[in-house]
Amino acid sequence: NAGVTQTPKFRILKIGQSMTLQCTQDMNHNYMYWYRQDPGMGLKLIYYSVGAGITDKGEVPNGYNVSRSTTEDFPLRLELAAPSQTSVYFCASSYSKGVLHQPQHFGDGTRLSIL
Amino acid sequence: DQQVKQNSPSLRVQEGRISILNCDYTNSMFDYFLWYKKYPAEGPTFLISISSIKDKNEDGRFTVFLNKSAKHLSLHIVPSQPGDSAVYFCAASLGGTSYGKLTFGQGTILTVHP
Repeated sequence: NAGVTQTPKFRILKIGQSMTLQCTQDMNHNYMYWYRQDPGMGLKLIYYSVGAGITDKGEVPNGYNVSRSTTEDFPLRLELAAPSQTSVYFCASSYSKGVLHQPQHFGDGTRLSIL
Repeated sequence: DQQVKQNSPSLRVQEGRISILNCDYTNSMFDYFLWYKKYPAEGPTFLISISSIKDKNEDGRFTVFLNKSAKHLSLHIVPSQPGDSAVYFCAASLGGTSYGKLTFGQGTILTVHP
């Protein structure tokens, strides 16, 4: 019972490099999300998706891109890494239909340092 | 502008006693509230939620209270156990088509000691 799987768990990048954070879920959830958590702060929504082919911006989308080609996968792309993007990134998924909204399930996070 | 605030960074409670974690919000349009629990090096896990049409929701040892006029919610854990030691986040949603767009508080570190 994998749930939400994020890879890698840790990564160090140099300023200006690019990378993709992977996220996959096996619960057939239609909604997926990306959050970042800075030290001592709560989680902030970067991007979310309500289904394959549909994505939208959250609170802090600048510097990131996403795509959702399948129900299972929701990768997050950093094109030009900056020190301000040093954070812990969490992917989450949930099921919603009509008035039914189930809580979000989170992965264990990717700790990203940009030096 | 922080719309959801947890003003107590930490709370220390003796095992068996009640833990009360507080959360304040500023946006009166929030329609749904949730509490998540987080252990180190893990993702948050859902604990309990409450809709704005209710003022209380209970699940085992966990009870959430909502005071809409004061824009305040609290999580009560009775009795507290050492395994409850974790970071607790409250989160709020506007509901409807924005249900999944959660706004989180900063978190409160709960320590339950013997």
